[in-house]
Amino acid sequence: DAKTTQPPSMDCAEGRAANLPCNHSTISGNEYVYWYRQIHSQGPQYIIHGLKNNETNEMASLIITEDRKSSTLILPHATLRDTAVYYCIVRGYSGSARQLTFGSGTQLTVLP
Amino acid sequence: DVKVTQSSRYLVKRTGEKVFLECVQDMDHENMFWYRQDPGLGLRLIYFSYDVKMKEKGDIPEGYSVSREKKERFSLILESASTNQTSMYLCASSKTTGGGQPQHFGDGTRLSIL
Repeated sequence: DAKTTQPPSMDCAEGRAANLPCNHSTISGNEYVYWYRQIHSQGPQYIIHGLKNNETNEMASLIITEDRKSSTLILPHATLRDTAVYYCIVRGYSGSARQLTFGSGTQLTVLP
Repeated sequence: DVKVTQSSRYLVKRTGEKVFLECVQDMDHENMFWYRQDPGLGLRLIYFSYDVKMKEKGDIPEGYSVSREKKERFSLILESASTNQTSMYLCASSKTTGGGQPQHFGDGTRLSIL
């Protein structure tokens, strides 16, 4: 699986959009970009994933650049409950890719 | 929504005890996983099951066993608990192992072995 790079921390004002970047310059054609988050002392929560096209669900939007070397997770109206560590992961379609590996992630703090 | 339920949020056991951690998913997923998460070590896969009665070892299976008698239920067993098994245990499930299928996690069990 390709390596990802994320900033260690970010702040966002409550009610504003939170834009979390992720670099994955070594991504290959069949690898998906996933985002998870983990609130302290809870299990990781799946947010969204995509291959090439931008994706949106009830939680967030995922913007993937045309060359697929980077992506941005957008939380459109951040709330205090969105304070968490956010992980960007790249995973291929392979029987060996069963295990999830989280990097250091980005600590997002939503400020009142 | 996918629901993965772990039987306990917090558990305290003694050294040498046999410990059972239970996990149930309600989405008819083929695959289920047990991880442990420790500060500085990230997520580590203990065991994985891709079908009823089928299992594969992950990276750290020593001291653990698993059971999957029904599709929705995956149990982790600590055969003889030791203090170095104090950890956060996370169960996850996914429809397949493919790159387009996310793993969904339970809330975790924080296990302390005294």
